[in-house]
Amino acid sequence: GENVEQHPSTLSVQEGDSAVIKCTYSDSASNYFPWYKQELGKGPQLIIDIRSNVGEKKDQRIAVTLNKTAKHFSLHITETQPEDSAVYFCAAEGGSTLGRLYFGRGTQLTVWP
Amino acid sequence: DAGVIQSPRHEVTEMGQEVTLRCKLISGHNSLFWYRQTMMRGLELLIYFNNNVPIDDSGMPEDRFSAKMPNASFSTLKIQPSEPRDSAVYFCASLGSGANVLTFGAGSRLTVL
Repeated sequence: GENVEQHPSTLSVQEGDSAVIKCTYSDSASNYFPWYKQELGKGPQLIIDIRSNVGEKKDQRIAVTLNKTAKHFSLHITETQPEDSAVYFCAAEGGSTLGRLYFGRGTQLTVWP
Repeated sequence: DAGVIQSPRHEVTEMGQEVTLRCKLISGHNSLFWYRQTMMRGLELLIYFNNNVPIDDSGMPEDRFSAKMPNASFSTLKIQPSEPRDSAVYFCASLGSGANVLTFGAGSRLTVL
């Protein structure tokens, strides 16, 4: 099955700085890559996703890039704010089953005011 | 839409007791996924259903775990007998037909003493 690696496991930035989280995947057939944000005591929530037919997608302060050749994708958060502090998970949709996601281990992002 | 609804939110029980976790899907969704989250193993897929039929239960740890989907909108995950190593947060997530976006519930935090 698919194997998703995520780095770093923890990330601390100053408010206003940028944060970058990187993931790699193993199955070249994967074509859907969502990012989830999990706040304390809550379930993961989708914040952005990208499909394999595009290389970059942006939504306000959040952007995701995808390199299918290298099998890696990244999350970029600009102008970070304390409310961005959370655990972020990358995932890849593996196999032929819609919604069957393989998750990275997560990145604890802390934004200091 | 109320989203994916899980109950109980927190459960503390003693080793050997039966535990039943419940999940109500988003109306109109037809796929359901049960995940377990621990610090050691991250988010693990236990089992998923499509149109009430279990598709892949290879993630279920052992025979003590069982899951059912008695109708299109409801599922249960049962652990009998429970053990301390089952302590984790259990999430269910649902998916609509033809869509990639997996929506998670708030989770059930299980502590087995």
